[in-house]
Amino acid sequence: DQQVKQNSPSLSVQEGRISILNCDYTNSMFDYFLWYKKYPAEGPTFLISISSIKDKNEDGRFTVFLNKSAKHLSLHIVPSQPGDSAVYFCAARTIQGAQKLVFGQGTRLTINP
Amino acid sequence: DAGITQSPRHKVTETGTPVTLRCHQTENHRYMYWYRQDPGHGLRLIHYSYGVKDTDKGEVSDGYSVSRSKTEDFLLTLESATSSQTSVYFCAISDPDSEQFFGPGTRLTVL
Repeated sequence: DQQVKQNSPSLSVQEGRISILNCDYTNSMFDYFLWYKKYPAEGPTFLISISSIKDKNEDGRFTVFLNKSAKHLSLHIVPSQPGDSAVYFCAARTIQGAQKLVFGQGTRLTINP
Repeated sequence: DAGITQSPRHKVTETGTPVTLRCHQTENHRYMYWYRQDPGHGLRLIHYSYGVKDTDKGEVSDGYSVSRSKTEDFLLTLESATSSQTSVYFCAISDPDSEQFFGPGTRLTVL
């Protein structure tokens, strides 16, 4: 029972263009969503988050959008840079979840020069 | 970085042997977690701790046990390792209602 799904295992984008990574969830009790970035042989690092009371959160080149009715969130990276090449995980948690995160499978983003 | 280390970083062991992985933090965060990462599954929570001697199960806890006798250390034990436990294991730490910071990971191979 995959509560958080990233249906695209990989994505290739040209440098300077917009990268859009998508994530769907099934549990309507999720109230907080996060994106993590992971380079090979390193642990995931926190990128950006959004609360369910918002529909958009922006931090520099990174923007996360939340559509609660569709149970869908997306991460936009503009403009994409070579250093953005990594695996991106979306994650979600519930109020009652005691800080427990549920992760998607990850999307490998490759930025081409 | 968040002051979190994992040891060992790599381990190869044989089926049936016990294995203990250590997570150490210098940040005094209340929560500590153990995840495993496998292709096609992302990261899955094994066990977590919400204080010294306070632990609870995660999504994939079968075959694993944990202990936390000090704030800074969280141990993950495989009592009798199996090949299905070959994975990359990540420890994470957090304060209440804040993001989790991850360690560098331990790659475990069970032959």
